Amino acid sequence: KQEVTQIPAALSVPEGENLVLNCSFTDSAIYNLQWFRQDPGKGLTSLLLIQSSQREQTSGRLNASLDKSSGRSTLYIAASQPGDSATYLCAVIGGANNLFFGTGTRLTVIP
Amino acid sequence: GAGVSQSPRYKVAKRGQDVALRCDPISGHVSLFWYQQALGQGPEFLTYFQNEAQLDKSGLPSDRFFAERPEGSVSTLKIQRTQQEDSAVYLCASSLGLGAGVTDTQYFGPGTRLTVL
Repeated sequence: KQEVTQIPAALSVPEGENLVLNCSFTDSAIYNLQWFRQDPGKGLTSLLLIQSSQREQTSGRLNASLDKSSGRSTLYIAASQPGDSATYLCAVIGGANNLFFGTGTRLTVIP
Repeated sequence: GAGVSQSPRYKVAKRGQDVALRCDPISGHVSLFWYQQALGQGPEFLTYFQNEAQLDKSGLPSDRFFAERPEGSVSTLKIQRTQQEDSAVYLCASSLGLGAGVTDTQYFGPGTRLTVL
């Protein structure tokens, strides 16, 4: 069974810092990898989707990379803002279309 | 346009009661997924529909859990004889379903928080 791990579990940074969130997965046979954001009491919002043939995707201040062979992905957030405070979840899709999620990184950006 | 909606948002049940959770996917989305998210954990897959066909129910934790999507749009997740360990947030997601071998973004609803006393 696919296992997805996210490090660190929680992260606190001052506003304006650049930061990196890490995700690793055990089975490299994936179709794609997605990064989501989850705010308290709300559902998940998709941030970036990287297809297995791609190495990175960018959206605004966010950049996600994928290294399938080593089973790793990173989410880079530039110039962090208090509004970025949330839990960030990494998920991979194998052959069955369902997502396998990590346990998330809880980010707090301090004004 | 409207996103995925779920009802109720919160449900409190006494142990042993049956509950039904509803999901309205985005109009035209072929694929529908149910996930269970325990406190402090990431969501875990329960079941997957393509139109009205339930193609994968491998994540359902016991035969007390049952899901249906009879007309290929709205879906209901039913839990019979609820137990305390069923307490969690139940998330529904839908996607366009672009065909075999192609994956697309899943859009999530706000979830139903179930508390079993």
